[in-house]
Amino acid sequence: DVVMTQTPPSLSVAIGQSVSISCKSSQSLVASDKNTYLNWLLQSPGRSPKRLIYQVSKLDSGVPDRFSGSGSEKDFTLKISRVEAEDLGVYYCLQGTHLPLTFGSGTKLEIK
Amino acid sequence: QIQLVQSGPELKKPGESLKISCKASGYTFTDYAMQWVKQAPGKGLQYMGWINTQTGKPTYADDFKERFVFSLETSASTAYLQINNLKNEDTATYFCARGTAYWGQGVMVTVSS
Repeated sequence: DVVMTQTPPSLSVAIGQSVSISCKSSQSLVASDKNTYLNWLLQSPGRSPKRLIYQVSKLDSGVPDRFSGSGSEKDFTLKISRVEAEDLGVYYCLQGTHLPLTFGSGTKLEIK
Repeated sequence: QIQLVQSGPELKKPGESLKISCKASGYTFTDYAMQWVKQAPGKGLQYMGWINTQTGKPTYADDFKERFVFSLETSASTAYLQINNLKNEDTATYFCARGTAYWGQGVMVTVSS
């Protein structure tokens, strides 16, 4: 199975600051169709996960452009510019290239 | 709009079985596979597997090949997760998901004697 190594495990940031979360996979996530199926999800407290970004850098509808994704092959980053209070929760990367799908261990974002 | 609505919380004893549901609406049920994800209390997300909604064929991740059964009621656009011979470690919230974009609200399952 593909192992997704996500860091840091937690972050504490002030409103308006920017943060980055890293996700590294044990295998290349480039699929046979040349797409890279790397997603970022946010699980707000008490809620089900919500996808923010798919295929490395494509924002889901309604997701603020303060969120951005980048990376390739085995190394990926989620950046949140100008953090807002509503951004708190646990962020997960999720690879969908190889079965079984696998998640990163999560990054808990707290607001100072 | 696309929705996945899951059944309510469950409290069960070890050794019992349960079946939770995930009712889809807003799209053609058989056009997309249904995934299942487990989240133990205070822990991360764990992929359980998926079911092909056209053929009914389930595929289970390694940790879920025993005691877990995915099934469908296509006429009702509903997917089911059955867990047999419940164990304390099955205590978790179980999510259904269509791909990675659409998630049910989760079902909290508590197994306790």
